[in-house]
Amino acid sequence: GAGVSQSPSNKVTEKGKDVELRCDPISGHTALYWYRQSLGQGLEFLIYFQGNSAPDKSGLPSDRFSAERTGGSVSTLTIQRTQQEDSAVYLCASSFSSGGETQYFGPGTRLLVL
Amino acid sequence: KQEVTQIPAALSVPEGENLVLNCSFTDSAIYNLQWFRQDPGKGLTSLLLIQSSQREQTSGRLNASLDKSSGRSTLYIAASQPGDSATYLCAVLRGAQKLVFGQGTRLTINP
Repeated sequence: GAGVSQSPSNKVTEKGKDVELRCDPISGHTALYWYRQSLGQGLEFLIYFQGNSAPDKSGLPSDRFSAERTGGSVSTLTIQRTQQEDSAVYLCASSFSSGGETQYFGPGTRLLVL
Repeated sequence: KQEVTQIPAALSVPEGENLVLNCSFTDSAIYNLQWFRQDPGKGLTSLLLIQSSQREQTSGRLNASLDKSSGRSTLYIAASQPGDSATYLCAVLRGAQKLVFGQGTRLTINP
């Protein structure tokens, strides 16, 4: 079946612009996660959605970062007023539930802020 | 704060050798531990998941062990092949939600 998909695959933007990154989870998966992978920090958790519950935003690095999940499926990660340090690969993952199930990752969006 | 460490950071071995990758974590209160593989420019592929109550999991030439009390896990790869070349990431799950990742081991199998 189809895996987790993310778009765009690559994004180049200028400092100060806003960007939106999209994630389509595996159909039927109720849990969705965003992670960021950068050279200096490795892979770090950003935000987690489970069903209709309030998201766990504890990993978001600043208030310039926000995410939403519409209809319990597609999610959008928005970065406002991008900075050069936001350059990274943004990975989305989904799992069947939040009960410690395997997380399946998408291919990521490579963001470069000039 | 949970910290995950992977040693070595990079490993290069001849084809056919058996090898072990190491992962250690500071807080034993984990839900499970996962090993992932990442190819250059790609996302993560889940290899093995070990629940906190389990000691090991096997899939083909891969075997992962978990010792919660000592905060260690190993990934054993038997009869390595050039196609095994990738970065291997260990991650622990706390609170059934977010994964905490190690920095990875970059593995190169030389033909």
